[in-house]
Amino acid sequence: NAGVTQTPKFQVLKTGQSMTLQCAQDMNHNSMYWYRQDPGMGLRLIYYSASEGTTDKGEVPNGYNVSRLNKREFSLRLESAAPSQTSVYFCATDLDGLDSPLHFGNGTRLTVT
Amino acid sequence: AQKITQTQPGMFVQEKEAVTLDCTYDTSDPSYGLFWYKQPSSGEMIFLIYQGSYDQQNATEGRYSLNFQKARKSANLVISASQLGDSAMYFCAMRDFSGNTPLVFGKGTRLSVIA
Repeated sequence: NAGVTQTPKFQVLKTGQSMTLQCAQDMNHNSMYWYRQDPGMGLRLIYYSASEGTTDKGEVPNGYNVSRLNKREFSLRLESAAPSQTSVYFCATDLDGLDSPLHFGNGTRLTVT
Repeated sequence: AQKITQTQPGMFVQEKEAVTLDCTYDTSDPSYGLFWYKQPSSGEMIFLIYQGSYDQQNATEGRYSLNFQKARKSANLVISASQLGDSAMYFCAMRDFSGNTPLVFGKGTRLSVIA
């Protein structure tokens, strides 16, 4: 039972390159989220998906796109990476919002040079 | 809009002592939930404790308890009998229930436990 799996764990990109961060869950949760963590800023929501087939913007969506491929998978794409997107990215899931706690993947450390 | 404030960037505590990490929040929704997470140096996010706005009693989970003062809009985490393994970042987070909004996080408090 893997829980929430993120790939890759580490990535270095040059400015302007693109990449997709993958997230898969085997918890049968409905909601999935992408957060970024920067020093002194806590976790900020990029995009989320309350259910299969829906996606919504969070606090910091600019420069990102997402796809909820099916109930299990939620990917985050950087079309043209910028140094400001250097961060640690976390995927998280929960059953149905409300009082359900988030379950996190182990994070992806992305550096854009 | 929801807002979470953690005013202590860093805290020190002696091993075996209790420590309180502060969290205040702002919301106009009468129904909401408050969560605390721990992030050790290894980087994973670990859920610690949950408090609902209508819960009559303060939440407790082992050595963790939540000092919930609804009128003051505060939800402080109390860690009793601190251990060296408690050294980590701690995040307070909340969610409004009426719009089923995603979890909003505070900026965190770094706790260091001293032997």
